[in-house]
Amino acid sequence: EIVLTQSPGTLSLSPGERATLSCRASQIISSSYLAWYQQKPGQAPRLLIYGASSRATGIPDRFSGSGSGTDFTLTISRLEPEDFAVYYCQHYGSSPQTFGQGTKVEIK
Amino acid sequence: QLHLQESGPGLVKPSETLSLTCIVSGGSISSSSYYWGWIRQPPGKGLEWIGNIYYSGSTNYNPSLKSRLTISVDTSKSQFSLNLSSVIAADTAVYYCAKAGGFRRATDYWGQGILVTVSS
Repeated sequence: EIVLTQSPGTLSLSPGERATLSCRASQIISSSYLAWYQQKPGQAPRLLIYGASSRATGIPDRFSGSGSGTDFTLTISRLEPEDFAVYYCQHYGSSPQTFGQGTKVEIK
Repeated sequence: QLHLQESGPGLVKPSETLSLTCIVSGGSISSSSYYWGWIRQPPGKGLEWIGNIYYSGSTNYNPSLKSRLTISVDTSKSQFSLNLSSVIAADTAVYYCAKAGGFRRATDYWGQGILVTVSS
């Protein structure tokens, strides 16, 4: 089973700032199978990025993903008020699929 | 627009079986390549992948739950189901049904989720 470790646990930033979220895998994984999700309180997660760097339908271009091997990054170039949420990475290339524990992006 | 809706009891007693159904609308559950799955989230915690199923009935289960888990599909009713037996308090969670675009594809549609509490 591939373990995903996200850092930091909480990121305190102001609107307009840049957010950089990290996801580290316990072994090398194909970037084709790494996704990022956003979850707001009381809502289901929403797919942001798949294949490590491809934006899902309707996702603004301030969200970008990068990385390879064991280290992956989600970047939000300029935080909008609606971006404050919890973000999860996911590996879906093998069974069981696994999620990171999440990074909360909160308003500073 | 595809829509997924979970249904089932919100309270299950310990040692009993948790049974949930997900009704799919706005699209065909028999679409080639789509996988239909379940993901859960204990209150205040992260996401756990439970398993998925193809319309043909082929399944993939999380090994940590496999001995207690059955996922099935009924294409005539456009729905798929989750049965988790011998539940304990740790199975208390919001259960989401979801759809992936294919095998080894990200999960792109989610139901709203249903809270299931395991308690006597």
